[in-house]
Amino acid sequence: GDSVTQMEGPVTLSEEAFLTINCTYTATGYPSLFWYVQYPGEGLQLLLKATKADDKGSNKGFEATYRKETTSFHLEKGSVQVSDSAVYFCALSEGLNDYKLSFGAGTTVTVRA
Amino acid sequence: DAGVIQSPRHEVTEMGQEVTLRCKPISGHNSLFWYRQTMMRGLELLIYFNNNVPIDDSGMPEDRFSAKMPNASFSTLKIQPSEPRDSAVYFCASSETSGGEQFFGPGTRLTVL
Repeated sequence: GDSVTQMEGPVTLSEEAFLTINCTYTATGYPSLFWYVQYPGEGLQLLLKATKADDKGSNKGFEATYRKETTSFHLEKGSVQVSDSAVYFCALSEGLNDYKLSFGAGTTVTVRA
Repeated sequence: DAGVIQSPRHEVTEMGQEVTLRCKPISGHNSLFWYRQTMMRGLELLIYFNNNVPIDDSGMPEDRFSAKMPNASFSTLKIQPSEPRDSAVYFCASSETSGGEQFFGPGTRLTVL
């Protein structure tokens, strides 16, 4: 079945550092790809998405590019802030069951001042 | 906008007791989802409703779990009898359409002693 593998954490960074969280996927067709963020004590929020190959999703300084050739959707941010401390989830949905999100395990990111 | 509302936020109960979790989706959304989040298994979709009708309940763990959606503005997830292994955070999410962006509630943290 469809699945997502993302970089294990936890990741600890200093403010203004560069952040990368790796995400690769396995799917039989052409999935849509997502990054969700979960701040402490809250539910998940959609951070960005891409629906076809070479699409770049971006939001709040975060970016991820849908790479079909490497089946990847790595999340990047050039300069993190303390407020970016959260758990980040890579996810995909596919085909007729486009409501069904398959999530990665989540990566905990802590940014220190 | 109130967002997705879940109650209670925390529930502590003893093994064998009945537990009912409640969810109010965003007004106008026709799709509703129940998820379970644990350290061991990550985020799992339990059940999906569309226009109040259960469409996919393949993620419901066993007969002890049941979910209902009597109207467009209310859903319940019931566990009877509860077991310690049911301890998890349960999220409700809703979306405007089947494959649309899912908006998550803050979750209910369930502890079964």
